[in-house]
Amino acid sequence: GEDVEQSLFLSVREGDSSVINCTYTDSSSTYLYWYKQEPGAGLQLLTYIFSNMDMKQDQRLTVLLNKKDKHLSLRIADTQTGDSAIYFCAESIPGRRALTFGSGTRLQVQP
Amino acid sequence: ETGVTQSPTHLIKTRGQQVTLRCSSQSGHNTVSWYQQALGQGPQFIFQYYREEENGRGNFPPRFSGLQFPNYSSELNVNALELDDSALYLCASSLETGFGNTIYFGEGSWLTVV
Repeated sequence: GEDVEQSLFLSVREGDSSVINCTYTDSSSTYLYWYKQEPGAGLQLLTYIFSNMDMKQDQRLTVLLNKKDKHLSLRIADTQTGDSAIYFCAESIPGRRALTFGSGTRLQVQP
Repeated sequence: ETGVTQSPTHLIKTRGQQVTLRCSSQSGHNTVSWYQQALGQGPQFIFQYYREEENGRGNFPPRFSGLQFPNYSSELNVNALELDDSALYLCASSLETGFGNTIYFGEGSWLTVV
């Protein structure tokens, strides 16, 4: 999606933390999402954050939102080989029916 | 498991043919959206159906059309298939237009056009 940008690839070692970054352009975004897609599968919602929040933590996942810089990040603590997948950032905007997705970041976890 | 089921899971069609993909939404969800995900790309919005009416459309030509039925299940029809239509087609169901954690995706239908 042209409005949401992500880096293409991230490689980490098992047990380390992973940080996946995303930038978006529409300041009226209300919700920002992180989805996980494993090979050959559909999209699994991992977490989301409302635009009036700076941070959200959910078990191993921490989402940070910097509205000023229009920057969203997903931190995965204690990354496991099962976390290897493509991670998509997406935004929803009032009045627009669709989610706008980034092109995805492929996370590779080395044993 | 999201409760959103899509069929078929895989299919191969010839250029110029027509295809129908089906989606059964999660119980109680009255809104269905369709997305196209080309290889190596993020999903792109095709259109959304709310209570059997088209409720928004992305940048896709009219040969992409849809239906929503009284039970809120949905079909995506693509006419005059082109090679570039080869992609994963994802259905998402939600209550109303969906925010927060209320948007659920199916596993998708892989379409290959040869």
